[in-house]
Amino acid sequence: RKEVEQDPGPFNVPEGATVAFNCTYSNSASQSFFWYRQDCRKEPKLLMSVYSSGNEDGRFTAQLNRASQYISLLIRDSKLSDSATYLCVVTQNTGNQFYFGTGTSLTVIP
Amino acid sequence: DGGITQSPKYLFRKEGQNVTLSCEQNLNHDAMYWYRQDPGQGLRLIYYSQIVNDFQKGDIAEGYSVSREKKESFPLTVTSAQKNPTAFYLCATRTFLGNQPQHFGDGTRLSIL
Repeated sequence: RKEVEQDPGPFNVPEGATVAFNCTYSNSASQSFFWYRQDCRKEPKLLMSVYSSGNEDGRFTAQLNRASQYISLLIRDSKLSDSATYLCVVTQNTGNQFYFGTGTSLTVIP
Repeated sequence: DGGITQSPKYLFRKEGQNVTLSCEQNLNHDAMYWYRQDPGQGLRLIYYSQIVNDFQKGDIAEGYSVSREKKESFPLTVTSAQKNPTAFYLCATRTFLGNQPQHFGDGTRLSIL
């Protein structure tokens, strides 16, 4: 079983829509959780960390559900510039190894 | 990310040739990592290093070698033993202070001639 699993999509949504991605992880001892954004042919860039109580950064909201072992990312009022691949990342043990999902592709349509 | 420099941006390898990808950082981060990304796939860990003069194999270390002689530098050599080297190679760094994320350089694209 993979350490981290994501629905690859693609998700095609109109501008202004709300879209949510989930990511499941297999190890209940996982410590830290992050969402990264990766544009085509570019490096991943940190979008936000995911905290136990949930956290929000502008139009983006991240949630962690330890009981069900998943994290989620909600994007409100989608912009064309939100089109990218979103990677969820989980760390385990001492936090020195990072496990990346394969990414969820989002296209925001005018 | 600012502070992590990968070079070259594009690299072409001939059959039987070893090539070295550079990764330099000025963030004073403790840990450095090398990943490989193939089209439409996730990142796979090649090697990582937590301190100078020490490194560990990741999931796909065969055909690769690394060194960590300085905190700032973690070069990756793709040897001739790596039969399918064409990929996007990403270097990442991380500080050990708290549960901090990794930060990435802008990558090197390696192709076979």
